Amino acid sequence: GENVEQHPSTLSVQEGDSAVIKCTYSDSASNYFPWYKQELGKRPQLIIDIRSNVGEKKDQRIAVTLNKTAKHFSLHITETQPEDSAVYFCAARKVGGTYKYIFGTGTRLKVLA
Amino acid sequence: NAGVTQTPKFQVLKTGQSMTLQCAQDMNHNSMYWYRQDPGMGLRLIYYSASEGTTDKGEVPNGYNVSRLNKREFSLRLESAAPSQTSVYFCASGQGSDNSEQYFGPGTRLTVT
Repeated sequence: GENVEQHPSTLSVQEGDSAVIKCTYSDSASNYFPWYKQELGKRPQLIIDIRSNVGEKKDQRIAVTLNKTAKHFSLHITETQPEDSAVYFCAARKVGGTYKYIFGTGTRLKVLA
Repeated sequence: NAGVTQTPKFQVLKTGQSMTLQCAQDMNHNSMYWYRQDPGMGLRLIYYSASEGTTDKGEVPNGYNVSRLNKREFSLRLESAAPSQTSVYFCASGQGSDNSEQYFGPGTRLTVT
């Protein structure tokens, strides 16, 4: 069935360093890939997304890359700050039909001051 | 705009009791979703409604029922609660089009004893 694998499950970085989280999806028909940030006790919130006709997208310190051939996509956070500490989820969705999302299991990022 | 709202925020049930979680959105979205979030498991789709009048099972539908009451409202019912249903439940909505993103409600923390 449809599956999204996410690694690592936990990640600790020093403030100012970069963080990379990787996801692999199984359904080649997936063509929309959002990333969500969830702070403790809060709802997931979209931070960046990418569609399959694009290889990379940047928004200030955050970037997402997509390799359709390998069916994986990654979140890159540069110059990490303590407020980046949260759980990050990737997801994959097929366009058309039901617009159903499949989520990864999450990465807990800790930025150490 | 309130976005996506959920009630209640917290609930404690005894095994065998029933309850309905309410969700409403004021963004005129077509698609609505119910997820459960357990530690280390990410967000798992329980049921979704691609449009008013339709509902479909997600990854973990057993023990739940849903009703898409109208375009705004999508409720989740537990007929006979079990301890395994202790979780945080998130409702979400999206336009259901190629360019839409998904918005989450604040969540309901449910404990079944």
